[in-house]
Amino acid sequence: TQLLEQSPQFLSIQEGENLTVYCNSSSVFSSLQWYRQEPGEGPVLLVTVVTGGEVKKLKRLTFQFGDARKDSSLHITAAQPGDTGLYLCALNTNAGKSTFGDGTTLTVKP
Amino acid sequence: NAGVTQTPKFRILKIGQSMTLQCTQDMNHNYMYWYRQDPGMGLKLIYYSVGAGITDKGEVPNGYNVSRSTTEDFPLRLELAAPSQTSVYFCASSKTTGVTTGELFFGEGSRLTVL
Repeated sequence: TQLLEQSPQFLSIQEGENLTVYCNSSSVFSSLQWYRQEPGEGPVLLVTVVTGGEVKKLKRLTFQFGDARKDSSLHITAAQPGDTGLYLCALNTNAGKSTFGDGTTLTVKP
Repeated sequence: NAGVTQTPKFRILKIGQSMTLQCTQDMNHNYMYWYRQDPGMGLKLIYYSVGAGITDKGEVPNGYNVSRSTTEDFPLRLELAAPSQTSVYFCASSKTTGVTTGELFFGEGSRLTVL
């Protein structure tokens, strides 16, 4: 059973464009995290969202948590080549179990 | 602090061999995790532990075993290695309290090839 679905799986855009990636779950979760992973390295945390409807901003990145706490989105404004990487969402349960989606591979071309 | 340290970084095994991937953290985190990542994919949870002496299965536990005798260490044991276990393995830890999962800190990964 796939708990988390991320879309799109791959995204290739030009520098300066905007983009949105999505994370959807069939279950309600207590919190959700977004991570970014570069080749050959472990994922690094970008943000944790806890409250339904919550919006968090990190420079050009905007994270939104759905009202029903079953989905989330990540919007990047004016993407730069340095944004290239694998973006992963992680669903967290009350038991502390963290489950990851398959990720969105983003390529930003100069 | 060294953070999360995994060894070895690379290993080639023959089918049927056994080995242990070591993981240690010096941040006094209560939660520890083992994930595997296949090329171009996300992370699949193998096992996790919420504290010393407590372990639980994740999404893909078959073919693996773990133990958590101390807060710091969380080794992953592969018995009878199979080609399907060829992957990159990541250990992670977090300071988790209540209903909010803390940030997961990852090791650099261990690349395992089974031939």
